[in-house]
Amino acid sequence: EPEVTQTPSHQVTQMGQEVILRCVPISNHLYFYWYRQILGQKVEFLVSFYNNEISEKSEIFDDQFSVERPDGSNFTLKIRSTKLEDSAMYFCASLEARTGLGNEQFFGPGTRLTVL
Amino acid sequence: LAKTTQPISMDSYEGQEVNITCSHNNIATNDYITWYQQFPSQGPRFIIQGYKTKVTNEVASLFIPADRKSSTLSLPRVSLSDTAVYYCLVGGALGDTGRRALTFGSGTRLQVQP
Repeated sequence: EPEVTQTPSHQVTQMGQEVILRCVPISNHLYFYWYRQILGQKVEFLVSFYNNEISEKSEIFDDQFSVERPDGSNFTLKIRSTKLEDSAMYFCASLEARTGLGNEQFFGPGTRLTVL
Repeated sequence: LAKTTQPISMDSYEGQEVNITCSHNNIATNDYITWYQQFPSQGPRFIIQGYKTKVTNEVASLFIPADRKSSTLSLPRVSLSDTAVYYCLVGGALGDTGRRALTFGSGTRLQVQP
């Protein structure tokens, strides 16, 4: 069964450093998402991406964040200058978006980001 | 977006049927009801989706009354591996609204005991 993959599984970084989290969505999917989950809290939406541009973003997704689809397979989330409060699990998700289907987003296994 | 309310936690034993009810009094006409499951340190996983009446798949059943103000996820004969957090989400499923971000609540933490 096709699945969303994410790398790395765990990233440790120093405060103020840049990190790039990588995702490979399911190949025929058209919509891509990033969510995050701080330990013990809810899953929170960050940003959605379609047709090479951001289609929706939350208040969390400020100027420190950016997304990119550099080639036909990867979808990346960059945090320019990490803060302690960016420590969380980051989940990538993708959606096929064929007509008539519901909003079944497929989530990756997540990247655990630890900012020291 | 319609607000959802579900129990914070539930306990069950292996082999029992578990029913988790979600209230969504302000559900809109074009909203669908979707349930996701999340194991610790994993991404949420789609379980089932419905609009009205009953939907069944190989994992669960979803019961939706005629007024659609609530829904019940039914897990038949749970096992230890069903221990997880279960989220009820309400929103558009078709077209542009179906592609919007998912809004997760706190979910129901199901603990299955041997």
